Amino acid sequence: EAGVAQSPRYKIIEKRQSVAFWCNPISGHATLYWYQQILGQGPKLLIQFQNNGVVDDSQLPKDRFSAERLKGVDSTLKIQPAKLEDSAVYLCASSTQGPGEGEQYFGPGTRLTVT
Amino acid sequence: DQQVKQNSPSLSVQEGRISILNCDYTNSMFDYFLWYKKYPAEGPTFLISISSIKDKNEDGRFTVFLNKSAKHLSLHIVPSQPGDSAVYFCAASEGGGSQGNLIFGKGTKLSVKP
Repeated sequence: EAGVAQSPRYKIIEKRQSVAFWCNPISGHATLYWYQQILGQGPKLLIQFQNNGVVDDSQLPKDRFSAERLKGVDSTLKIQPAKLEDSAVYLCASSTQGPGEGEQYFGPGTRLTVT
Repeated sequence: DQQVKQNSPSLSVQEGRISILNCDYTNSMFDYFLWYKKYPAEGPTFLISISSIKDKNEDGRFTVFLNKSAKHLSLHIVPSQPGDSAVYFCAASEGGGSQGNLIFGKGTKLSVKP
C-alpha cells in the first residue's frame, strides 16, 4: 500500500513570498490533516478535512494560510505571504473515515525555510 | 500552555535493557492516547495506542501504561534494540479515537547503544 505522498520535500523562500505544498493521501482515506511542526516541538494541527469539507481549521492562521481539497482526494496548503516564523516542517496525514481508533498515517513532510 | 508534556528531551539505554518513556497531560477530557515514532527526514509512524477505559495495552515489545488519576502514561520497550533509536512523541485526543485533533508532546529522543 502506497503511503502519504508530499511534495516538495524541501523549500527555501524569502519572507513575503508565497509557497504551496501538495499532499496525496492513502487511497480510500477520507480524512486528511495538515500539521505544522516547528523545530523542537511536536506537530500542531492546522486543518482537518473530511472528504472535501473542512472539519476543523481553528488553528489555521487564516490571514496568510489557506488549504483546499477540491475533489476529496489530494490537497494543497498555501502560505501567502510567508513570515520567518513559518519556518517548519509541514506534515500531511490521512486516516479512514468514521469513528473509532483508526490511526493517522503521516507523509514525510515538507521542510520550509523562510529567510 | 502545554497540554501534553514530555519532560525528558532525551534518553540513552543499553541494547537489551528496558526503555521507559514518560508523558504527562493536563486536560482531563483526553480519552485516547497514542505513541508515534519518528526517524530523521520521515513522518511520524504510529506505534501503539490506549483508550482511557484501559490501563495497559501491549503489542510485542511495546507496552503502554495509563494512570488516569495521575494523568500520566508511559511507554515501555523491552528489550530495546538499536533500531528503536528515534524520537518518540506522545499524543492525546478527545472523543474516543484518533480521528480528530491530536495534541502532541515535544518528543523524547531515544538512543539505544549496542
